[in-house]
Amino acid sequence: TQLLEQSPQFLSIQEGENLTVYCNSSSVFSSLQWYRQEPGEGPVLLVTVVTGGEVKKLKRLTFQFGDARKDSSLHITAAQPGDTGLYLCAGINSGNTPLVFGKGTRLSVIA
Amino acid sequence: DTEVTQTPKHLVMGMTNKKSLKCEQHMGHRAMYWYKQKAKKPPELMFVYSYEKLSINESVPSRFSPECPNSSLLNLHLHALQPEDSALYLCASSQDVGASGTYEQYFGPGTRLTVT
Repeated sequence: TQLLEQSPQFLSIQEGENLTVYCNSSSVFSSLQWYRQEPGEGPVLLVTVVTGGEVKKLKRLTFQFGDARKDSSLHITAAQPGDTGLYLCAGINSGNTPLVFGKGTRLSVIA
Repeated sequence: DTEVTQTPKHLVMGMTNKKSLKCEQHMGHRAMYWYKQKAKKPPELMFVYSYEKLSINESVPSRFSPECPNSSLLNLHLHALQPEDSALYLCASSQDVGASGTYEQYFGPGTRLTVT
């Protein structure tokens, strides 16, 4: 059973468009992290959300943590080719458990 | 500084070879991790070290042998690997493990391993 479901799996859009990526679970997470990974490189941490309902902005990226801490979304405004990559959400579930990863959303922004 | 370094960047080895992957962090983190990532898949956890002791082994075959010589270094010793072990091997570190905090993980750039 996949604890974290990401959607969509693949997304191809034109430069300048907006998009939203979702990360959903039936479990409560004490925190959720979003990473971006480019081919052949390690994931780069974008943001961590901890409080239910929290919204964080990173330039054109807006991250939201659901009120019940079971889901999160990433919204990109005016996407650019440099946003292309694999976006991974990952969460700490409970107890002394390690990070749980979603399967990722592969984004392609076409110039 | 949130840098985790890994060497080598690329490695090609035969099935009878013995090689090692190295990972280093100087953030004072007490938890270090090895992940394996196949193409188009998310990272899969292999091992977790907490305070230099192995705390999690996700049923990884014994041909992979981790070692944590000190709090800044993590090695992965490879012996008698199979072609299906070819993947991107990622090292990560975090301040600690556990749910009582955010404990963000910082990843290295990975070692691209090819087993021939």
